[in-house]
Amino acid sequence: AQSVAQPEDQVNVAEGNPLTVKCTYSVSGNPYLFWYVQYPNRGLQFLLKYITGDNLVKGSYGFEAEFNKSQTSFHLKKPSALVSDSALYFCAVRDKDSGNTPLVFGKGTRLSVIA
Amino acid sequence: KAGVTQTPRYLIKTRGQQVTLSCSPISGHRSVSWYQQTPGQGLQFLFEYFSETQRNKGNFPGRFSGRQFSNSRSEMNVSTLELGDSALYLCASSFRTSGRRTYNEQFFGPGTRLTVL
Repeated sequence: AQSVAQPEDQVNVAEGNPLTVKCTYSVSGNPYLFWYVQYPNRGLQFLLKYITGDNLVKGSYGFEAEFNKSQTSFHLKKPSALVSDSALYFCAVRDKDSGNTPLVFGKGTRLSVIA
Repeated sequence: KAGVTQTPRYLIKTRGQQVTLSCSPISGHRSVSWYQQTPGQGLQFLFEYFSETQRNKGNFPGRFSGRQFSNSRSEMNVSTLELGDSALYLCASSFRTSGRRTYNEQFFGPGTRLTVL
């Protein structure tokens, strides 16, 4: 069975500082990995994904994520946080090798960027 | 291109009633998934439809059902509503071929906020 863990419910960071939102995953095969962001009273917005190839993936709004197979991690990063980045962030995984399995989401991490 | 639309946006029902939620995917997207989002449980997968066929089903009771029409629009129905069904119901569409390796990202609608009194 596939699963995702986001170990931090809340991350606080000062504006202008780098931010990291952590994600680890478990799949029996190889993963497709995704990050989504949710603003209040909105649906989820896609940020970036890892399918194959380069371990460093660049996405929307200056976000990037690094796939680390040995640590089964896919942490989301941004060099300089903005107050407008404050939102709920979800990591998700799908097992590439298990056929028609649904996308599994983590519990979410609330990011608060303080001015 | 228009995004995923969900109707209604807000709904208030009482216990025992039934409800139908609607989702129109992005044009050209044939896969539609439904999720339930609550503060305690996070995002939980309900079901996925592709070409009018249910391809996956999450761990929800039979009171939760869905369907997809030939134009890829989807509906989900919850019968005999319980207080615990109060949640944000999210629909997502993706471009998917009939192949098994589904790596395309999902595009989410704004959700339907269901309150059961």
